Amino acid sequence: EADIYQTPRYLVIGTGKKITLECSQTMGHDKMYWYQQDPGMELHLIHYSYGVNSTEKGDLSSESTVSRIRTEHFPLTLESARPSHTSQYLCASSELWNTEAFFGQGTRLTVV
Amino acid sequence: KNEVEQSPQNLTAQEGEFITINCSYSVGISALHWLQQHPGGGIVSLFMLSSGKKKHGRLIATINIQEKHSSLHITASHPRDSAVYICAVNGNQFYFGTGTSLTVIP
Repeated sequence: EADIYQTPRYLVIGTGKKITLECSQTMGHDKMYWYQQDPGMELHLIHYSYGVNSTEKGDLSSESTVSRIRTEHFPLTLESARPSHTSQYLCASSELWNTEAFFGQGTRLTVV
Repeated sequence: KNEVEQSPQNLTAQEGEFITINCSYSVGISALHWLQQHPGGGIVSLFMLSSGKKKHGRLIATINIQEKHSSLHITASHPRDSAVYICAVNGNQFYFGTGTSLTVIP
């Protein structure tokens, strides 16, 4: 069973609010990822990290930011949420780039 | 053009049928992943392949690096196999297919 956790699972917030989506893993993985998935659409990588103090943008432009101060923690922040940010956000981790990735349960965000 | 193409997009099968989902990719890769996404949104990694074939229970995944093609097979399908199956590859970044939505009818 994968030890990667996302909170909250569901979130409904108003436009303009600042939010942080949490992702934690207990496997000691250096590589962590954030994906965005609109309903019925494919996954898109929005952020990834090689390890502590490393963050990179993915293939899909995102207004969110991430930080990696500790190996186990990779939070994603939206400074001012908008309805266009309504989506599912999935966090994952892996030991290396080409090893199995473990996914969290996802956070379903609705901005009203 | 998508770097990863999956077929079919939608698949309905009777319980017990043998199912095949195909994935073709156009980039150089170090590994290919098959993922399973249930209606609640959670994703589980089924296989990670860099060559050959892997088997886990009723699931079999194969990859042909030369042809840039992978297949996921489900033997003796069951309604609990109903999910979206996603092919993803590690190139210089991750690329994902759009998924195959499988429904297995009792």
